[in-house]
Amino acid sequence: GAGVSQSPSNKVTEKGKDVELRCDPISGHTALYWYRQSLGQGLEFLIYFQGNSAPDKSGLPSDRFSAERTGGSVSTLTIQRTQQEDSAVYLCASSWMSDRNTEAFFGQGTRLTVV
Amino acid sequence: AQSVTQPDIHITVSEGASLELRCNYSYGATPYLFWYVQSPGQGLQLLLKYFSGDTLVQGIKGFEAEFKRSQSSFNLRKPSVHWSDAAEYFCAVGATGTYKYIFGTGTRLKVLA
Repeated sequence: GAGVSQSPSNKVTEKGKDVELRCDPISGHTALYWYRQSLGQGLEFLIYFQGNSAPDKSGLPSDRFSAERTGGSVSTLTIQRTQQEDSAVYLCASSWMSDRNTEAFFGQGTRLTVV
Repeated sequence: AQSVTQPDIHITVSEGASLELRCNYSYGATPYLFWYVQSPGQGLQLLLKYFSGDTLVQGIKGFEAEFKRSQSSFNLRKPSVHWSDAAEYFCAVGATGTYKYIFGTGTRLKVLA
C-alpha cells in the first residue's frame, strides 16, 4: 500500500478483555516495529520484526503482550487481559532494512482505551 | 544506555517568529539522529535525519537541524514559523548494534496567529 495502515483507529475495551491490533506495513518493507505512545512518555519500543529472523521482543512490558507477523507482511499485536495502564496509542512502523540508519515510516496508530 | 532528552515540553511562538527545539542525546559514538513531527491524530512524519557528513541538515517544510558533537545536541530550527507547524515534535536516536530508535518525550508546539 501507499503507507503503513493500522486498524482499528480507535478501540475501547473493558478491563480484562483481550484485544488485537493490526498493522499492514508498506509493501516490500522487511522491518516492522511496534511502539507505544503514552501521554508525556514519548515512544516506547515494544517489538521488532526483520524478515524471517526471530523477533526482538525485549520491549514488551509483560507476558500479556505478544505479536506475530504472518508471511513477512501483516502484523498483529495482542494484549491479553487488558489493564487500564495499557491505555495508549499503539504505533506501527516499517522500513526497508533493519539497519538503524533507515528511515521508519509510521502508521496513524491505534488509540486503545481500557475502561 | 542511549537516551534522548527534549527539555521543553511545550513551546509557544507567534506566527512568523523563529523557532528552535532542543534535543540532547546520550551516546558513546556518533549516533544517527532524526526529527519527526506528529500532527493531531496523525502518525509520525520524518522531517530530517543526520547520518554523517555536513552537520547542518536540511529537511522538509523549511526545517533544519544542526548536529553539535561537543554539546551532544541536535536542535531543530525554522526561521519563520507558520500556523500549520503547530504539532508535536520528536527527536530520536538510532544506536549502534540496535535497530531500536530511542525517542524523546516530545515538544508540543503552539503557534499564535
